[in-house]
Formats: sequence, structure tokens, C-alpha cells
Amino acid sequence: GESVGLHLPTLSVQEGDNSIINCAYSNSASDYFIWYKQESGKGPQFIIDIRSNMDKRQGQRVTVLLNKTVKHLSLQIAATQPGDSAVYFCAENMPGTASKLTFGTGTRLQVTL
Amino acid sequence: ETGVTQSPTHLIKTRGQQVTLRCSSQSGHNTVSWYQQALGQGPQFIFQYYREEENGRGNFPPRFSGLQFPNYSSELNVNALELDDSALYLCASSLVPDYEQYFGPGTRLTVT
Repeated sequence: GESVGLHLPTLSVQEGDNSIINCAYSNSASDYFIWYKQESGKGPQFIIDIRSNMDKRQGQRVTVLLNKTVKHLSLQIAATQPGDSAVYFCAENMPGTASKLTFGTGTRLQVTL
Repeated sequence: ETGVTQSPTHLIKTRGQQVTLRCSSQSGHNTVSWYQQALGQGPQFIFQYYREEENGRGNFPPRFSGLQFPNYSSELNVNALELDDSALYLCASSLVPDYEQYFGPGTRLTVT
């Protein structure tokens, strides 16, 4: 399959551990943030989103934290599984920009057994 | 419910040629956005179509153009292909603009 993110920062975690992937976003006016997971040969898959009026949102095994003061977003994955291995992107959207998502550079998550 | 589909999967073109990529949006979605993803990078927004009209554009030259049809499927056209146009082209659909976007698998374009 296609290889996504040949030279991306890599986070290696053991199966069963928790993962934390960080992202610094660029625009303080952004009001909507999304985490995507991209496996090799596939398009990005929506994981979780958060609006700027919140600082935390939880999903199934995932939590997104938003710190607007330092323009920082993080994705926490609980009990990481081999199927979580992929490249993870954060994306931001500014109001009035017609859903123009601006993506970060991505982080490769490698889950070791 | 059918997800976002794109065709073709892979395509090889020569510099200077023209290419058309196709996208079928998810059922019920009237908004389609196109992104270019170079190897090792995040996707970059090309443009969005909402109800057959362009509804926003990123920093791409006019040789990148698009269409949306009454059934909300969409085409991306690229004229005068350059080597740097080699990338994965992603289509994403959403229920309405400014809402959660669902991506297709992409079309891998190689320009030689």
C-alpha cells in the first residue's frame, strides 16, 4: 500500500499503554479542531473533534484536550492497540473559511507488542 | 449508507497533460472539498463546492478547477500538469459546509 508520512515524528508505545499525541495549531482565531487517523493507502478517518468553547471532549478510548492559551491540542488514546498504528493529523478551521481545514504535519504512532 | 468514493485509484500522466479526478460524496452530503497531500505531509485544501457553486479556495493556481453536479458528485481538473502536482488527491464530503468532513481513499497521481 501507499506509505504516508515517510519522515514524520514517530511515537512508539507498547500495546496496552496510553498514547498522547500533541499538536501545535497555527491560528488563534480557529474555532474548530479535528483529529484524523490515516492508515497507509487510505484517506484520513475522523476520530474526534472539539469546538473552541470547550477544553476537553471524550470519545470511545480517545480524549481531546484543547489549550487555547498556548494554541495546543492533544489526543489521548487509552489502552493503545495494534490497530491504532497509523499517522495522526490535527486539523483546524477558522470561522467563515468554508470548512477549509488546515492540517498539521502529522505524527506516526507505532504500537509495539 | 455508501461512503465517499474516488476514481481512479492511481493515475500516471506526463508533464503538460490534463487530468480529471472524480468523487462521489456520501449519501445525503451536499458539500465536497478537495485536498492535495504530498508524500510525508498533511493534506492541503484546494477548494470546496456547495450546491454546485465554489464555496472557498486555497492557495492553488487557476489551472486547478472543479465542478459539482446536481447529484453532488464532483470533479477536480488539473491542466498543464507539473511534476510537483504528483500527490494523493483527497475528496471529503460533509452534510453542509462547516461540518464534519468524511474523506475518500484518494487518487494517487504521478506526473512524469
